[in-house]
Amino acid sequence: AQTVTQSQPEMSVQEAETVTLSCTYDTSENNYYLFWYKQPPSRQMILVIRQEAYKQQNATENRFSVNFQKAAKSFSLKISDSQLGDTAMYFCAFTLYTGANSKLTFGKGITLSVRP
Amino acid sequence: DSGVTQTPKHLITATGQRVTLRCSPRSGDLSVYWYQQSLDQGLQFLIQYYNGEERAKGNILERFSAQQFPDLHSELNLSSLELGDSALYFCASSVASGGKTDTQYFGPGTRLTVL
Repeated sequence: AQTVTQSQPEMSVQEAETVTLSCTYDTSENNYYLFWYKQPPSRQMILVIRQEAYKQQNATENRFSVNFQKAAKSFSLKISDSQLGDTAMYFCAFTLYTGANSKLTFGKGITLSVRP
Repeated sequence: DSGVTQTPKHLITATGQRVTLRCSPRSGDLSVYWYQQSLDQGLQFLIQYYNGEERAKGNILERFSAQQFPDLHSELNLSSLELGDSALYFCASSVASGGKTDTQYFGPGTRLTVL
């Protein structure tokens, strides 16, 4: 079974600064996808970024980037130039590359607060 | 807006009752997934349907059932409700065709409160 661990329950960052959210996972499989989802106070689940395990290059989406370390099974999210709208709960998630069966396994999430 | 719609937004009911949650996937998506988010269990996968057929089951109680209709919308039925069923229920959809896993996009959720 796959597991996803987010050990930091809460983090706080000053507006305009950079913050890194940690995530580790465990799997014996070689082909999989990793995601970060954001859940703001509205409770909507919003995709932030996605990483395919077979790609060595780290994914980037505007101010969001990941540090994917496959051997260490680590997948951290870096948020640059933090904005007040980044205040949310962030979930790391894992899915196997299995075709049509692709449930997401989530970590417990981390609450990020951006201070003005 | 993800393109996934869920109704109703909020549902308040009593123990022992039955409710139906509805989900319409994004246009072109064949797979629908149901997740439950509660304070004690976090986000848990319940069940997946692909083009009308059940594909995967997670931690779904026997009191819960789901189906996907020919127009690809899905319904999650929760019966004999208990206080512990109070949670946020998400539907997500993805293309998931051609043997390729792809990104799941989530609806806004249905907040279920059992009194």
